Amino acid sequence: QQQVKQSPQSLIVQKGGIPIINCAYENTAFDYFPWYQQFPGKGPALLIAIRPDVSEKKEGRFTISFNKSAKQFSLHIMDSQPGDSATYFCAAMEYGNKLVFGAGTILRVKS
Amino acid sequence: ETGVTQSPTHLIKTRGQQVTLRCSSQSGHNTVSWYQQALGQGPQFIFQYYREEENGRGNFPPRFSGLQFPNYSSELNVNALELDDSALYLCASSLASADTQYFGPGTRLTVL
Repeated sequence: QQQVKQSPQSLIVQKGGIPIINCAYENTAFDYFPWYQQFPGKGPALLIAIRPDVSEKKEGRFTISFNKSAKQFSLHIMDSQPGDSATYFCAAMEYGNKLVFGAGTILRVKS
Repeated sequence: ETGVTQSPTHLIKTRGQQVTLRCSSQSGHNTVSWYQQALGQGPQFIFQYYREEENGRGNFPPRFSGLQFPNYSSELNVNALELDDSALYLCASSLASADTQYFGPGTRLTVL
């Protein structure tokens, strides 16, 4: 049972474009929603995270939009660069310890 | 400040063998979580250790076990290895059980 559904599976944008990755969840007990970036052969690196009492959070070129009533959240990458090409995972924290991950989105930014 | 480290980087085992993976948490972090990431998938939670006690477990069989030491480093042990255990095993540390988790580079386990 996939508790966090992530889309799209893959995404190609031109340099400077704004890729958007979407996630949806069902469990209303989730109270923390991080996004991770993973390069091949490396562990996931935390990009940005949000809690459900906030509708938007921005850190540098990365923005999370959060819609509590729809149980959806998304990642926007402003002015995307070829170096942003990686796999992105959304996640949700359950019961204070367990991170539940989406299936991942492979992003390619063309120069 | 030292980040999360894991050893070994790569490991090849045969079916039925046992394996031990090691993780050193980030300085000051008392909580370690382990995840299994199969190729092309998101990480799956195995279990978490907080102050040397198991603090939550995912849907993994008992042949997956762990330890946390007084210095907060941790081990993941897998007995009776199966082919499906081939994956990247990730360790993440955090200041407390409900805090942001920072991942190590992982150990790539191949079971033949």
